[in-house]
Amino acid sequence: AQKITQTQPGMFVQEKEAVTLDCTYDTSDQSYGLFWYKQPSSGEMIFLIYQGSYDEQNATEGRYSLNFQKARKSANLVISASQLGDSAMYFCAMREGRGDYKLSFGAGTTVTVRA
Amino acid sequence: DSGVTQTPKHLITATGQRVTLRCSPRSGDLSVYWYQQSLDQGLQFLIQYYNGEERAKGNILERFSAQQFPDLHSELNLSSLELGDSALYFCASSVRLAGVGSEQFFGPGTRLTVL
Repeated sequence: AQKITQTQPGMFVQEKEAVTLDCTYDTSDQSYGLFWYKQPSSGEMIFLIYQGSYDEQNATEGRYSLNFQKARKSANLVISASQLGDSAMYFCAMREGRGDYKLSFGAGTTVTVRA
Repeated sequence: DSGVTQTPKHLITATGQRVTLRCSPRSGDLSVYWYQQSLDQGLQFLIQYYNGEERAKGNILERFSAQQFPDLHSELNLSSLELGDSALYFCASSVRLAGVGSEQFFGPGTRLTVL
């Protein structure tokens, strides 16, 4: 079964607008971490934001915020005030707390920011 | 720049050959992870080392092996290469295994093309 589901293969957003990228996850662990990464066309993976399962506040990093809804098992990424440089593939990932600390990734969402 | 370095950046080789991919983690990071990104499989975890010891294995083929050396750099060895091994191979590192600070920082990747 898929541990991370990203249902939006591609999205278009107007410059300066906000965009929400959906991510749902599946785990039976109580302790886990959720991550978002950005992959521009150049290929590198850039860490954006982290949310721990016990964190009570939603994580924020600059223009990125994570809308964490534990009961719904969702961890949506919100990018505010989109910029042309935000055009990239975005991956949601999860680390489960069973001693195996690998990241399980979703299929990704391609975001294209229009001027 | 994540601080994780990978060499070479590109590698083109033939079926049946063997290659070695190298990774140097961020200064102070003890944990190294290898991931494979291909069009059909997406991003998949291969193997993890922590302070020189293998910690977890993912979908790593028997033809693939890895190690982490005392200076903490890691090498991924791919042998008897097949066309389907063509992919972007990422190394990531983290200072901790879990909790805040367990963010994995990715290197720029090695793009392997098997002809």
